[in-house]
Amino acid sequence: DSGVTQTPKHLITATGQRVTLRCSPRSGDLSVYWYQQSLDQGLQFLIQYYNGEERAKGNILERFSAQQFPDLHSELNLSSLELGDSALYFCASGGLGWSGNTIYFGEGSWLTVV
Amino acid sequence: LAKTTQPISMDSYEGQEVNITCSHNNIATNDYITWYQQFPSQGPRFIIQGYKTKVTNEVASLFIPADRKSSTLSLPRVSLSDTAVYYCLVGGDNQGGKLIFGQGTELSVKP
Repeated sequence: DSGVTQTPKHLITATGQRVTLRCSPRSGDLSVYWYQQSLDQGLQFLIQYYNGEERAKGNILERFSAQQFPDLHSELNLSSLELGDSALYFCASGGLGWSGNTIYFGEGSWLTVV
Repeated sequence: LAKTTQPISMDSYEGQEVNITCSHNNIATNDYITWYQQFPSQGPRFIIQGYKTKVTNEVASLFIPADRKSSTLSLPRVSLSDTAVYYCLVGGDNQGGKLIFGQGTELSVKP
């Protein structure tokens, strides 16, 4: 158990809909990362937050947005969903004073768009 | 951002030592090198991290030459359960940053 909690574990929704994925980082971690992994593909970096502020951005679609709240949990919002958005979405967190790339992943949220 | 290059796949047999090399030619002075293991449908899991020379823990060793432009993950006496994708990751700072995973190396361990 990494200590990172993601909900929901599985989600099935229709094209055009909007969903919200939630992540609770490890206790004490200030950084939250979001990654997308489609079937048989690598981990695509979406976005990173540090202590409530957006710190780094990857190839995140305009239809996607994220935020990190004062209690440090984060949400990834996916809207106008398309079939190609079906993927496993991972959240990861990292702590203070660490080397910078030791992050701990949650179990992921499986999104299926039909 | 330091880009990493690894072999796409490797095959091994149970009981053998496996060495996976990662190239990161433009690694920055402050960058650490971290390796992760990912099983299907699971989040990547931290294996080992190093800055230079050699690091060893209970599951692996990490060899980093003096120029730090590459690193080698060594898995001693692999078993079937070591079949997974292995990623090396370089970069990040104490506030995180854009951590880009490469393609990873798909290791297949055969009986």
